[in-house]
Amino acid sequence: SQQGEEDPQALSIQEGENATMNCSYKTSINNLQWYRQNSGRGLVHLILIRSNEREKHSGRLRVTLDTSKKSSSLLITASRAADTASYFCATAGEAGNMLTFGGGTRLMVKP
Amino acid sequence: DAGITQSPRHKVTETGTPVTLRCHQTENHRYMYWYRQDPGHGLRLIHYSYGVKDTDKGEVSDGYSVSRSKTEDFLLTLESATSSQTSVYFCAISGGQGAYEQYFGPGTRLTVT
Repeated sequence: SQQGEEDPQALSIQEGENATMNCSYKTSINNLQWYRQNSGRGLVHLILIRSNEREKHSGRLRVTLDTSKKSSSLLITASRAADTASYFCATAGEAGNMLTFGGGTRLMVKP
Repeated sequence: DAGITQSPRHKVTETGTPVTLRCHQTENHRYMYWYRQDPGHGLRLIHYSYGVKDTDKGEVSDGYSVSRSKTEDFLLTLESATSSQTSVYFCAISGGQGAYEQYFGPGTRLTVT
C-alpha cells in the first residue's frame, strides 16, 4: 500500500509559472523526501524534510511539512520546460526505516 | 549520477524461466534496494540489503529472491518469471535506512511473455 498520495496526478502549466504538488500520508514519519523522475530514467533525490521541520528551500524548490495534517507540498517557482517530469514523495517511518513512495504527479511545463 | 549501474537494461523472457538482474555500485554504500515500478502503483520495495549477506523482505517480495556476496553487487532473481512480473526494476543505494536519501540506478525494463 502507498503511504504517500500525491495530488494532482497530472499538472500542466506554462513556462515561468509556479507549480505546486501536494502529498498526504497516513502514519507518523521520521522524514519526507521528494524525488524527480524524467521519462525513462531513475529517480533523483530533490529534498529531505525532517518531521521537526516546517519548511525547507533548495534553489527554486520550496517544501513545506504539516505533521498535524499529515501533508507536504512541493513548490517549484519560475518553472522551466526542463522541469517536465514526474515528482514523487516518499516517507520514512518514525523508526527511520524503509521509504514508502506515492504514485507521483506528472508535471508538464510548456515552453 | 551516483555510481550505480544495472544490467541488463532491457530483457524479454518467457514465462517460467529464471531471470537474474544485477545492480552494481561504486559508492561503497551499505544499503541497497530493489524496487519495481508499475503504472498506478508508484515504486514498491521488493527486497533490501543492509550489508554483505544481510537481506530482508519488502512489500512485494513473493516470487523474488536476492543475494549480496560483495558490498558492490546486489542481485535480484525471479525464480520462475510470470507475466505479473513484467515491470521496470530499479536498484537504489543509501548510506543508511529511511533517514537518508537514496540514489537510483537507470532501471531495467523486464517483459515476461
